[in-house]
Amino acid sequence: SYELTQPPSLSVSPGQTASITCSGTDLGHKYVWWYQQRPGQSPLLIIYQDSKRPSGIPERFSGSNSGHTATLTISGTQPLDESDYYCQAWDSKTVIFGGGTKLTVL
Amino acid sequence: QLQLLESGPGLVKPSETLSLTCTVSGDSIRNGGYYWGWIRQPAGKGLEWIGSRYYSGSIYYNPSLKSRVTISVDTSKSQLSLQLSSVTAADTALYYCARHLKGTNCCNGFEVWGQGAMVTVSS
Repeated sequence: SYELTQPPSLSVSPGQTASITCSGTDLGHKYVWWYQQRPGQSPLLIIYQDSKRPSGIPERFSGSNSGHTATLTISGTQPLDESDYYCQAWDSKTVIFGGGTKLTVL
Repeated sequence: QLQLLESGPGLVKPSETLSLTCTVSGDSIRNGGYYWGWIRQPAGKGLEWIGSRYYSGSIYYNPSLKSRVTISVDTSKSQLSLQLSSVTAADTALYYCARHLKGTNCCNGFEVWGQGAMVTVSS
């Protein structure tokens, strides 16, 4: 079965750039979606179709996908960006989620 | 504004069937072009897709749960339902209902999420 691999955790200082990776075989040939989940809240779609931002999502969130790796980039990271982030793809009629990355901003 | 509200028993006994309902308001579940799905999340863990379906026809299930899962739609009540049979403690989780992004084929990302319903499996 297809798997998506994310680093369990990432730490970044306020104002710096955070890059969260999501790896999977030939992932660049699939669409990737990214979600932000703050503690106690439902996930929020922040990137769709690799690099598009839904209405209301700040421009500091961006995405890319090539080869075997998709990347969520948060520019000028703010303390309120401290959350869990999940990637998602669709393969063989199955929705797959990455294991999630806990982003700490300190 | 579309809202999804999950409801159902918070406690289910082992070996029994878990049943949850997601009530859709602000739009009709029959509104064409959208798939609807269930996702769960054990406490402190990641997201696990359970299954998704169109209001009429196409249904997709997580292969690891397929033998125990049924997702159905009641268009008259604009509700999406989940049944998971033969539950064990491993099925204890927060269960979310969600709508996929618009698309004629499954499955895009999940655009709208409910608040979730906590289900504990215990005797």
